[in-house]
Amino acid sequence: EDKVVQSPLSLVVHEGDTVTLNCSYEVTNFRSLLWYKQEKKAPTFLFMLTSSGIEKKSGRLSSILDKKELFSILNITATQTGDSAVYLCAVHTGTASKLTFGTGTRLQVTL
Amino acid sequence: GAVVSQHPSRVICKSGTSVKIECRSLDFQATTMFWYRQFPKKSLMLMATSNEGSKATYEQGVEKDKFLINHASLTLSTLTVTSAHPEDSSFYICSAPRTRNNNEQFFGPGTRLTVL
Repeated sequence: EDKVVQSPLSLVVHEGDTVTLNCSYEVTNFRSLLWYKQEKKAPTFLFMLTSSGIEKKSGRLSSILDKKELFSILNITATQTGDSAVYLCAVHTGTASKLTFGTGTRLQVTL
Repeated sequence: GAVVSQHPSRVICKSGTSVKIECRSLDFQATTMFWYRQFPKKSLMLMATSNEGSKATYEQGVEKDKFLINHASLTLSTLTVTSAHPEDSSFYICSAPRTRNNNEQFFGPGTRLTVL
């Protein structure tokens, strides 16, 4: 059975801090790993990673994948209160675009 | 980016009634769509894969007769929760990949179902 595990489950930081969210996976037929941000409604897409060692960046967010260690991290620098959300990691497997989601990390950024 | 819509966004119904939720891809065709449910403070759990022109594929533990899925066209999939009970109350989200081999999925805004 495919498994995606995220840590920590929840995190509270002060505005301006840097955070690192972790995602490890054990799946068959890996195709890609995706990060999503979920506030009150449906998840919004952040990154898709398919190759090891290539960092993807978008503003203060960045992510990297290690396919040897079956692991990905999502970094957020200079956090803001608007970064407060649940961050979901999902792994795409097989040929049918099926996603397996992790449990999510709930991030709260306080003033 | 691609847009996926869901309707209704929120529904409250009495126990025993059936509720239909629609998922539409607005600017692309989707031969496959996915239905998830999410309980409060939990992650998304895949319920089923909706396939245009063929039967849906259900995940283990999901009752086919309870959650009816119809992929009527290349832009529309519907999920009907039949004889809803309070334990069916949840957040239901659909998603669609733009193409069959495209890893990136676009999510609908979700439907919050409350069964009284």
